[in-house]
Amino acid sequence: LAKTTQPISMDSYEGQEVNITCSHNNIATNDYITWYQQFPSQGPRFIIQGYKTKVTNEVASLFIPADRKSSTLSLPRVSLSDTAVYYCLVGVIYNQGGKLIFGQGTELSVKP
Amino acid sequence: DAGVTQSPTHLIKTRGQQVTLRCSPKSGHDTVSWYQQALGQGPQFIFQYYEEEERQRGNFPDRFSGHQFPNYSSELNVNALLLGDSALYLCASSLGGQYSGANVLTFGAGSRLTVL
Repeated sequence: LAKTTQPISMDSYEGQEVNITCSHNNIATNDYITWYQQFPSQGPRFIIQGYKTKVTNEVASLFIPADRKSSTLSLPRVSLSDTAVYYCLVGVIYNQGGKLIFGQGTELSVKP
Repeated sequence: DAGVTQSPTHLIKTRGQQVTLRCSPKSGHDTVSWYQQALGQGPQFIFQYYEEEERQRGNFPDRFSGHQFPNYSSELNVNALLLGDSALYLCASSLGGQYSGANVLTFGAGSRLTVL
């Protein structure tokens, strides 16, 4: 299973763009990259998923270089409510196995 | 929207007791995974169930066991509770079936277990 490395914590201010980079040097060919957001005492919430290049949805963008050994989650114009822990996961899920392993995550603190 | 529901939300047990946590997956999902999350840590994978069988297991002792029912709901049982078992227990569902690399886990709000 691909191991992920991401910063333990980051600080930002309201209205700024935040980029969180995750390293996954031994990502496998079939692995997808998925980011989750978690607030205290709640379950993680899916943010975005990608395989290669760039993916964008209504809340974030995910940039994946050609070698796929890293990925960057971009949160545009963060607000106080974006204060949370962000997890980068690499892997697949399927009925015969597959499991997603969480790392330590990045604790994002957004200040006014 | 029938998301993942877990019960109970909070419970307190004493060392040596046994606990059963329950999970109903999101409508349409057939695979259930369980995670343990200690305070300040990322979720740790316990096991995954599909077609009423344990398909994958993390590094947890046999005191942790589970079950999946024909309606895809699941239970997590922990025997001989230790103080270190105090944690948030998360259930996540997904769509299994054929190999699908783009599957996404949908998590419940968790069951907070405190062992005294």
